[in-house]
Amino acid sequence: GQNIDQPTEMTATEGAIVQINCTYQTSGFNGLFWYQQHAGEAPTFLSYNVLDGLEEKGRFSSFLSRSKGYSYLLLKELQMKDSASYLCAVRDQTGANNLFFGTGTRLTVIP
Amino acid sequence: DAGVTQSPTHLIKTRGQQVTLRCSPKSGHDTVSWYQQALGQGPQFIFQYYEEEERQRGNFPDRFSGHQFPNYSSELNVNALLLGDSALYLCASSLVSGGDNEQFFGPGTRLTVL
Repeated sequence: GQNIDQPTEMTATEGAIVQINCTYQTSGFNGLFWYQQHAGEAPTFLSYNVLDGLEEKGRFSSFLSRSKGYSYLLLKELQMKDSASYLCAVRDQTGANNLFFGTGTRLTVIP
Repeated sequence: DAGVTQSPTHLIKTRGQQVTLRCSPKSGHDTVSWYQQALGQGPQFIFQYYEEEERQRGNFPDRFSGHQFPNYSSELNVNALLLGDSALYLCASSLVSGGDNEQFFGPGTRLTVL
């Protein structure tokens, strides 16, 4: 089975840096994804990690440690539009290309 | 390049009824996955279709069934609707032979069961 854990809510200030953690336990592992989802909208892809280390994409970075079953998403220079839910998802190795999602972290950016 | 499209956008049904949701994948994609997202929760995997067959299935009862057509579009059918089936239903498409197999999500169908 799969178990993915992330904080339910976080609040951060505009211009600051925030780190959203995700821990996972899966029967197999074939990559970890981060998605952003604004209220009432579809999730949009942010990042993908399959090897240990840091992947950087502009203001967003994602880190993976497979031995610890741990990932984080780092958002720099926060903007008001970054207020959204951030979903951590793991792709298992046992079958097709489906994703197992955590409950999501609702980030609120305040002025 | 059209992304993933879903129809209808919203739907209201009553308990016991049946519903069909539709999805057209992103151009060039051959795999369609369906997810159910309850309010305040992450998406839950229902099943995935490739080459018109169900490849893998999540923890959902047989009331949930699907189909993929030769043009790669897909339908999700839910029979004997329950109040608990109220959710956002997301379709995601990908390319089975792609590198990171990134899934692109459609806007979803909001189903309300009364």
